[in-house]
Amino acid sequence: AQTVTQSQPEMSVQEAETVTLSCTYDTSESDYYLFWYKQPPSRQMILVIRQEAYKQQNATENRFSVNFQKAAKSFSLKISDSQLGDAAMYFCAYRGYTGTASKLTFGTGTRLQVTL
Amino acid sequence: GAVVSQHPSWVICKSGTSVKIECRSLDFQATTMFWYRQFPKQSLMLMATSNEGSKATYEQGVEKDKFLINHASLTLSTLTVTSAHPEDSSFYICSASGTGLYNSPLHFGNGTRLTVT
Repeated sequence: AQTVTQSQPEMSVQEAETVTLSCTYDTSESDYYLFWYKQPPSRQMILVIRQEAYKQQNATENRFSVNFQKAAKSFSLKISDSQLGDAAMYFCAYRGYTGTASKLTFGTGTRLQVTL
Repeated sequence: GAVVSQHPSWVICKSGTSVKIECRSLDFQATTMFWYRQFPKQSLMLMATSNEGSKATYEQGVEKDKFLINHASLTLSTLTVTSAHPEDSSFYICSASGTGLYNSPLHFGNGTRLTVT
């Protein structure tokens, strides 16, 4: 079974600074997808960024980028120029390619605080 | 695009009653829907996966007779919490996947906060 681990329960960053959230996963599959979701106090799940495992290039979405290390099974999220609106819970998630593995498996989450 | 509507957003019910939560895909056909449960300050735990026209597949430890899932059409899935008890109080979130099942992110509803008194 796939597992996703987020070792940082809480992180704090000053506005305009950069922060990196860690995520590791365990899988025996060679093809899969990885995601970062943001959950603000409204509890809406918002897709931040996704990465296909077969792509070597790291995904970027404006101020958000990932460092995907397939061999190390690591998938960290970097938030640049942090803004107050970035404060939320961040979940790393794994999704396989086939059958019931197409479900999303979430990590335990990292609560990000953004300070002035 | 790819909007998922979940209703109600919150519900309070008395112990022993049943509650139905609806999840609709508004602008795409949801071949697969997933139901998650989230306790305060915890992650999302998958309860079950449902494919249109088929019986739902429940995760280990989830009581299928208590959490009834119906996915009768490509745009609607329902979760019914039967004979609800206070320990069923939680946040329930649905998500849906349409065509391109494996290469599209799941689209989430806004969730339902269930409180059983």
